[in-house]
Amino acid sequence: SQQGEEDPQALSIQEGENATMNCSYKTSINNLQWYRQNSGRGLVHLILIRSNEREKHSGRLRVTLDTSKKSSSLLITASRAADTASYFCATDVRAGKSTFGDGTTLTVKP
Amino acid sequence: EAQVTQNPRYLITVTGKKLTVTCSQNMNHEYMSWYRQDPGLGLRQIYYSMNVEVTDKGDVPEGYKVSRKEKRNFPLILESPSPNQTSLYFCASSLKGRGEQFFGPGTRLTVL
Repeated sequence: SQQGEEDPQALSIQEGENATMNCSYKTSINNLQWYRQNSGRGLVHLILIRSNEREKHSGRLRVTLDTSKKSSSLLITASRAADTASYFCATDVRAGKSTFGDGTTLTVKP
Repeated sequence: EAQVTQNPRYLITVTGKKLTVTCSQNMNHEYMSWYRQDPGLGLRQIYYSMNVEVTDKGDVPEGYKVSRKEKRNFPLILESPSPNQTSLYFCASSLKGRGEQFFGPGTRLTVL
């Protein structure tokens, strides 16, 4: 089965609200990344957090990592309609070897 | 412009007819990967390469071949495609040790 699992599978919120999605994984990792995908297009890298980091910020994005629980969360604050997309976590367990979660589909209503 | 390109973008073929999907990056990245994406299953890594002539299996390598003869190119070969290989395929590249992957636009393959 996949290394990463995300929840919820789908999330629908109003513009301006915050969106939180979670990722759990199974084995030790070097780093964890979050990507966004707009409707069947290529994935775009959002943020990377290393295994020795606990929290990282980038603009409206906040990522946390709890290696003891093997979990991460992505918070998008003050969401916009343009944030509507699928979001995936990916874990690197060794050089070159990446495993993606099944994704969370976020819908932001104007 | 820094980018990963894939060709073709769309392909409809028949069972057993060998095909190659090309992938090229212009960022001098050491690492390259192929993924397939199926509804409800996220992305699954097929093969990856850490440098020229260095490749390794991902999670779903069966039915696929790859080669890395030049740093910029990483073609995906389906010697005898079958309908269960109908999928959306992505190529990605990254700098060694950086983690951040740059993705191509995808190739939608249908095998009849």
